[in-house]
Amino acid sequence: GQSLEQPSEVTAVEGAIVQINCTYQTSGFYGLSWYQQHDGGAPTFLSYNALDGLEETGRFSSFLSRSDSYGYLLLQELQMKDSASYFCAASAAGNKLTFGGGTRVLVKP
Amino acid sequence: KAGVTQTPRYLIKTRGQQVTLSCSPISGHRSVSWYQQTPGQGLQFLFEYFSETQRNKGNFPGRFSGRQFSNSRSEMNVSTLELGDSALYLCASSLGLAGAHEQYFGPGTRLTVT
Repeated sequence: GQSLEQPSEVTAVEGAIVQINCTYQTSGFYGLSWYQQHDGGAPTFLSYNALDGLEETGRFSSFLSRSDSYGYLLLQELQMKDSASYFCAASAAGNKLTFGGGTRVLVKP
Repeated sequence: KAGVTQTPRYLIKTRGQQVTLSCSPISGHRSVSWYQQTPGQGLQFLFEYFSETQRNKGNFPGRFSGRQFSNSRSEMNVSTLELGDSALYLCASSLGLAGAHEQYFGPGTRLTVT
């Protein structure tokens, strides 16, 4: 089966850095995605890692270590608008996509 | 380019009834996936359709079914509704199969079963 674990909630202040970890147990794994969802909104794609290492997109970066079955999303220079839920999702053989339970990030002034 | 649209946006049904939800993908996208989202359960995968064929299925009972039409529009049906089916149902479209392509989500249909 497939399972992904991520923390349920993280709180930080504006301007801080937050790291959301995601560990996965996925047979036939080939990539890890991250999605952001604001309250009442639809999830939107943030990043995708198929290879080990860090991918940077503006203030957000995503990292993958296939040998450790682990990845993380790094949110830098936190802004109030970054308050949202963040989901990791594993792609696997058969083109299945499995989502983690989501991490709620609360940014305080 | 228009985004993914879902209808209706809100729905209230009674236990035992059935419901059909509709999803229109982004033009040119051939894959449509359906998810159930409830507080504390994250996004639970229901099924994925690609070129009118179901390609993947999640762990939901047979009361949940779907189909895809030749224009890639998809419908999801839930029969014999239960209280536990109350949730936000999201559909997502992608150019190719969901596991290999970025997914674009619709706004969802919020279903309440009373």
